[in-house]
Amino acid sequence: RKEVEQDPGPFNVPEGATVAFNCTYSNSASQSFFWYRQDCRKEPKLLMSVYSSGNEDGRFTAQLNRASQYISLLIRDSKLSDSATYLCVVNALPSSNTGKLIFGQGTTLQVKP
Amino acid sequence: DAGVTQSPTHLIKTRGQQVTLRCSPISGHKSVSWYQQVLGQGPQFIFQYYEKEERGRGNFPDRFSARQFPNYSSELNVNALLLGDSALYLCASSLVMGVLSPLHFGNGTRLTVT
Repeated sequence: RKEVEQDPGPFNVPEGATVAFNCTYSNSASQSFFWYRQDCRKEPKLLMSVYSSGNEDGRFTAQLNRASQYISLLIRDSKLSDSATYLCVVNALPSSNTGKLIFGQGTTLQVKP
Repeated sequence: DAGVTQSPTHLIKTRGQQVTLRCSPISGHKSVSWYQQVLGQGPQFIFQYYEKEERGRGNFPDRFSARQFPNYSSELNVNALLLGDSALYLCASSLVMGVLSPLHFGNGTRLTVT
């Protein structure tokens, strides 16, 4: 079983649609969770951290369910510029504080006009 | 301010050769991590260095090695290249060590092994 699992997609949605991505992680001791965005042939960039209480940044909402080891990202009012791969990321070794991150395979989003 | 810079941007090598990739972190950042990203997959952790010491190592063979210099720049070395080493190699820097310090990635070095 992969440590972080995502549906690779692609998700093809029209502009203005609401789309949700899900992610599951296997290490129940993980303490830090993130969503990164990666454009084609570019480097990953931090989109947002994910907190236990859930958090929102504009059109983006992230949720964490520790009991189910499940993370989600909701994008409202999709824009063409949202087209990218979204990477679910968790820390691997919370006790060692090494900063090692485990990335999921990524979910590809294509927003169509 | 300059972001994380990596060189070269592209590289073509043949099987069995050795390669050195270079990374300069954001000014003031003391931690450098290396990741390998194979096409269609997420980045996979290779190494983390902090204050010139290795602080973490991923599941990669001993052919992979790295070091960090006094100015916090870093090199990743891969010996005896295999076709499967073809990937995008990403360097990331952070202010301090630890998962709560956000990673800032460079543009990467795209390595092709033929």
